[in-house]
Amino acid sequence: GAVVSQHPSWVICKSGTSVKIECRSLDFQATTMFWYRQFPKQSLMLMATSNEGSKATYEQGVEKDKFLINHASLTLSTLTVTSAHPEDSSFYICSAPDLQGKILHKNTEAFFGQGTRLTVV
Amino acid sequence: LAKTTQPISMDSYEGQEVNITCSHNNIATNDYITWYQQFPSQGPRFIIQGYKTKVTNEVASLFIPADRKSSTLSLPRVSLSDTAVYYCLVGDGQAAGNKLTFGGGTRVLVKP
Repeated sequence: GAVVSQHPSWVICKSGTSVKIECRSLDFQATTMFWYRQFPKQSLMLMATSNEGSKATYEQGVEKDKFLINHASLTLSTLTVTSAHPEDSSFYICSAPDLQGKILHKNTEAFFGQGTRLTVV
Repeated sequence: LAKTTQPISMDSYEGQEVNITCSHNNIATNDYITWYQQFPSQGPRFIIQGYKTKVTNEVASLFIPADRKSSTLSLPRVSLSDTAVYYCLVGDGQAAGNKLTFGGGTRVLVKP
């Protein structure tokens, strides 16, 4: 299957600083990528849809000025957590659907990165 | 997107078959049923997808009755490494912009 790579796998930062997380599709082009957040023992919560060459679409309740998303190329989306605080500590995961060759209307299989564990101290 | 309901957790033993049932009473005509597996501190991994009847791959089987209001993921002869959270998702990928909405998932613990 297709490969989505996330970097870094984990990061510890001081409160008030910003952290950038990268998500790359290694062997396919992704015009759309998704960013999720997952707190311990909870399910994945969709934060935003990253669109190549245009603005990201944020889910209700997600602050767009705090979670900056840039999707400047067909293989790279970045999520920057600005002015991070301890409550932003979480597991951030990106995903991308591999749309090439898919049957129309078939529910697309999504490929996920390995996740980034963010700890804000 | 169709709402899904699955058990919070299940315990099993090595070598046993594990069956996880997901209810999705308001599934729409164009919706597919997809299951993902997530190990701790990793992103989810696609397991299997189906529309109706039965689908089988090298990892699991997916049973879908005629009314499609539920589905059962079957993991044959589980091992300790199958301990994970399993998510059932229902939707029409294209219509939803390929968004995936995760429910609570089922935490499966395989014991020796």
